[in-house]
Amino acid sequence: DAGVIQSPRHEVTEMGQEVTLRCKPISGHNSLFWYRQTMMRGLELLIYFNNNVPIDDSGMPEDRFSAKMPNASFSTLKIQPSEPRDSAVYFCASSLGDRGSYGYTFGSGTRLTVV
Amino acid sequence: SQQGEEDPQALSIQEGENATMNCSYKTSINNLQWYRQNSGRGLVHLILIRSNEREKHSGRLRVTLDTSKKSSSLLITASRAADTASYFCAANNNDMRFGAGTRLTVKP
Repeated sequence: DAGVIQSPRHEVTEMGQEVTLRCKPISGHNSLFWYRQTMMRGLELLIYFNNNVPIDDSGMPEDRFSAKMPNASFSTLKIQPSEPRDSAVYFCASSLGDRGSYGYTFGSGTRLTVV
Repeated sequence: SQQGEEDPQALSIQEGENATMNCSYKTSINNLQWYRQNSGRGLVHLILIRSNEREKHSGRLRVTLDTSKKSSSLLITASRAADTASYFCAANNNDMRFGAGTRLTVKP
């Protein structure tokens, strides 16, 4: 397995533009997580899906953020409109079982810069 | 939310020495997990220790768990320059969140 695949690796966009981040989890994993990492706030859980259903989205900062998982092999995180404070590294992770039952496999991340 | 807190924030040692990092948490847990993050990369799962386990080994890694003190430690023996990374713990009680991490530097 190629691991968790995220795209793009880097994204530079102007304030106000829409940004879409993509994630392909490991085949057979039924839990998927989106995290955001910054120097100031560390690793923040944004949203957790189990069997393609959003279970916990309490970490989504505001209505500008939305996430979908239309099937077991694909998820997107969308920011519309983007703001400079959204600049961060966004990680997708997947695992077997429920949240925390097994170790998480992380993707390499998308470094987002909003100018 | 359940969150691990790592200590120290930063640790610098010489190659060949042992490195010990600690993690504290606040409530009961199902398991506790340790991860490594190299600069510019995603986190890599190192080891999971369940609440009914006290010690676990994986290669040069040794993890202990003391549920009475709500703490865990990660020991890396005979450290190498390649062990330079940030190390995170996550205490899981159906809600797993990461602490700020310990930044380990191993000098050759």
